[in-house]
Amino acid sequence: DGGITQSPKYLFRKEGQNVTLSCEQNLNHDAMYWYRQDPGQGLRLIYYSQIVNDFQKGDIAEGYSVSREKKESFPLTVTSAQKNPTAFYLCASGIGGGAYNEQFFGPGTRLTVL
Amino acid sequence: AQKITQTQPGMFVQEKEAVTLDCTYDTSDPSYGLFWYKQPSSGEMIFLIYQGSYDQQNATEGRYSLNFQKARKSANLVISASQLGDSAMYFCAMRGIYNQGGKLIFGQGTELSVKP
Repeated sequence: DGGITQSPKYLFRKEGQNVTLSCEQNLNHDAMYWYRQDPGQGLRLIYYSQIVNDFQKGDIAEGYSVSREKKESFPLTVTSAQKNPTAFYLCASGIGGGAYNEQFFGPGTRLTVL
Repeated sequence: AQKITQTQPGMFVQEKEAVTLDCTYDTSDPSYGLFWYKQPSSGEMIFLIYQGSYDQQNATEGRYSLNFQKARKSANLVISASQLGDSAMYFCAMRGIYNQGGKLIFGQGTELSVKP
């Protein structure tokens, strides 16, 4: 079945550690996105990529890094520079820009800093 | 700047009744799309319905309909014949034609509880 997978579902990190969240899609979408969701809040954009080997910062990119070496994959690294990383992270993909194209979301990764 | 406002943090509805979830938006983009997503307690975001700013008719998808009033900048979601499985968070989102990378702008969400 076509879709987006994220792993792991739950992730625990110690202070000062970098962690990488996986996102894979088999929908053949060009665009991929990472959003962060805090309790009781909507989603905010961290990074996005519209094509392989290219990505752009979103609204809250500080303390995060990404790569896009393959069309199917868009991993997110939460670095030790991210001051408050505990949150729910959602990956999404879509066919690109414009106002009319929906985004499909993965099941999310819940990150907790111990 | 674009903004989505959902003024109802929580809503209750009786099973089998209809419910309206409010959403107002602000944008200067000449063309935009409005989306509603459902987020159950499992966390996944489920796409429900879409309305384009130039669409003449209100969008409908099964039990979901979108009451689009462009002059008032509102895009309310109507769920008819509520079911217990409709209990979830509901997010209104917008995407303008000039949005950075096609990103979605989300509201704060409304938590819907369906009572038996």
